[in-house]
Amino acid sequence: GIQVEQSPPDLILQEGANSTLRCNFSDSVNNLQWFHQNPWGQLINLFYIPSGTKQNGRLSATTVATERYSLLYISSSQTTDSGVYFCAGAMRGSQGNLIFGKGTKLSVKP
Amino acid sequence: DTAVSQTPKYLVTQMGNDKSIKCEQNLGHDTMYWYKQDSKKFLKIMFSYNNKELIINETVPNRFSPKSPDKAHLNLHINSLELGDSAVYFCASSQGREKLFFGSGTQLSVL
Repeated sequence: GIQVEQSPPDLILQEGANSTLRCNFSDSVNNLQWFHQNPWGQLINLFYIPSGTKQNGRLSATTVATERYSLLYISSSQTTDSGVYFCAGAMRGSQGNLIFGKGTKLSVKP
Repeated sequence: DTAVSQTPKYLVTQMGNDKSIKCEQNLGHDTMYWYKQDSKKFLKIMFSYNNKELIINETVPNRFSPKSPDKAHLNLHINSLELGDSAVYFCASSQGREKLFFGSGTQLSVL
């Protein structure tokens, strides 16, 4: 199966700062998603982004499928952005088995 | 109006017991899943059902048995619970291979 690497593993930001989280895949994926797990454990789907760029408020994501990576941008970070960000991908031809990375733990300080 | 709901939220039990976790989705999705999140926050798929048919069954002990009575429900039954089964179990659903929606999780503690 594919390997999913996320960087950085940990990130501490001051409120208002911007950040970029990265996800690399060992093989081609045609299903790529980003999730946020808040400090209470709830997993929220942020983006379904197999290719291209999408934006949702202060968050945006870009996937370059041919180069096997995806980026998640957080602008003007807020304390409520704290938590763990996961990316996950599934290989073309697979049965939809999303493989998750180990996550980036983000702490936004007031 | 919860899209994917699972019960119970917390489950504390003794080793050797049998327990079940229930999951329901009201999104009209055709695919449902069970994921396990370990103490290091690593998420791994356990099972996937599409229209009540099992399509993914990862390397999971056969003490774990999923049951899908209909497209909107996917329950997880665990026999002879072991200490190592302690984790957070998430139910999820999607339409085909599209956006995945998670339930709020069930924290299982085996004593």
